[in-house]
Amino acid sequence: DAKTTQPTSMDCAEGRAANLPCNHSTISGNEYVYWYRQIHSQGPQYIIHGLKNNETNEMASLIITEDRKSSTLILPHATLRDTAVYYCIAALLYTGTASKLTFGTGTRLQVTL
Amino acid sequence: GAGVSQSPSNKVTEKGKDVELRCDPISGHTALYWYRQSLGQGLEFLIYFQGNSAPDKSGLPSDRFSAERTGGSVSTLTIQRTQQEDSAVYLCASSRAMGEAFFGQGTRLTVV
Repeated sequence: DAKTTQPTSMDCAEGRAANLPCNHSTISGNEYVYWYRQIHSQGPQYIIHGLKNNETNEMASLIITEDRKSSTLILPHATLRDTAVYYCIAALLYTGTASKLTFGTGTRLQVTL
Repeated sequence: GAGVSQSPSNKVTEKGKDVELRCDPISGHTALYWYRQSLGQGLEFLIYFQGNSAPDKSGLPSDRFSAERTGGSVSTLTIQRTQQEDSAVYLCASSRAMGEAFFGQGTRLTVV
């Protein structure tokens, strides 16, 4: 699996967009980009994933660069409940089987009033 | 069930004892993962199952750790002769073949 690099921590004001970057310069053509978050003392929560195209769901948007070497997770209107550690994962997808998810150290996002 | 269920939620054991941690995945999910997380640390991959087979056991820390999955459903993680460094939260997750992974709330293991 490709290694991902994320900033250690970020701050965001409540109500503003939180933009969390991730570098995955060695990503291969069949590796997806997954984002998870972990709120204190809870199990990780899936947010979104994508391969090439930008993706949006009710939680966030995922913007993947054309060369796929980096991506950005966007939380459009951050709230205090979005304070968490956010993990970006590049995972190889085998046809018909699941992806092994290797978590790095993630970005600790602190949303403030 | 509605989500991934792990039991027990908390386990305190004496050093040297064996422990079994159980994971009930979401019905129909073919993949099952075990991770552990020590206090203040990131998630450490242990093993994952596709059906009943384990294509990747590379994360198991030592031969004291083993896991099995039966009927493509329930999985048990066994730690033999527990050591204090085994103290951590053990997390289980399940997913469909190409879907997102859903995590349980974990088992907090304390070895005293």
